[in-house]
Amino acid sequence: SQTIHQWPATLVQPVGSPLSLECTVEGTSNPNLYWYRQAAGRGLQLLFYSVGIGQISSEVPQNLSASRPQDRQFILSSKKLLLSDSGFYLCAWSVLGWTEAFFGQGTRLTVV
Amino acid sequence: DQQVKQNSPSLSVQEGRISILNCDYTNSMFDYFLWYKKYPAEGPTFLISISSIKDKNEDGRFTVFLNKSAKHLSLHIVPSQPGDSAVYFCAASSTSGTYKYIFGTGTRLKVLA
Repeated sequence: SQTIHQWPATLVQPVGSPLSLECTVEGTSNPNLYWYRQAAGRGLQLLFYSVGIGQISSEVPQNLSASRPQDRQFILSSKKLLLSDSGFYLCAWSVLGWTEAFFGQGTRLTVV
Repeated sequence: DQQVKQNSPSLSVQEGRISILNCDYTNSMFDYFLWYKKYPAEGPTFLISISSIKDKNEDGRFTVFLNKSAKHLSLHIVPSQPGDSAVYFCAASSTSGTYKYIFGTGTRLKVLA
């Protein structure tokens, strides 16, 4: 069966520090991968998606970047965090890109 | 531009009664719709979906209705149970290869015992 791992679960980082969140999927090949963010009291905002290794599409101009160095690995990064980067970050995967997507458990990022 | 809208931020329902959660979309390219349930500090879990070739899909206590002409879908939960208390998100995607899921802002459902 397929599983998705996302870590860390919580993270407190100072303003101006770098960020690296990692997501890996097991049990499937060539998944579509996604990064979403849920800000406090808001919906799920699509940040990045990837349909293959090295292929990244950005939805929202911001202080973040994403990379997909391996088929089932998706990384969310920032060189210098801002206070506004705080939120709940979710990684997800899907097979076809329109049928159900499956989410990881999320990372609560607090920038202080 | 909010392409998927859930205009009710919260809903309270008595246990055993029907819960109806609504969702509207604006983009005609969307032809596949999904509902997710989310507990605090957890990732959303998939509940039920519907293709635009259908107007209804049922799975146990959950039924999703789609009105394409109105660009409106709804999730019915019957009977509602206290364990259904969570935030519900609707999402839209397209089978034409855009590979994106656009989510609404969510509706917090509280089922009262």
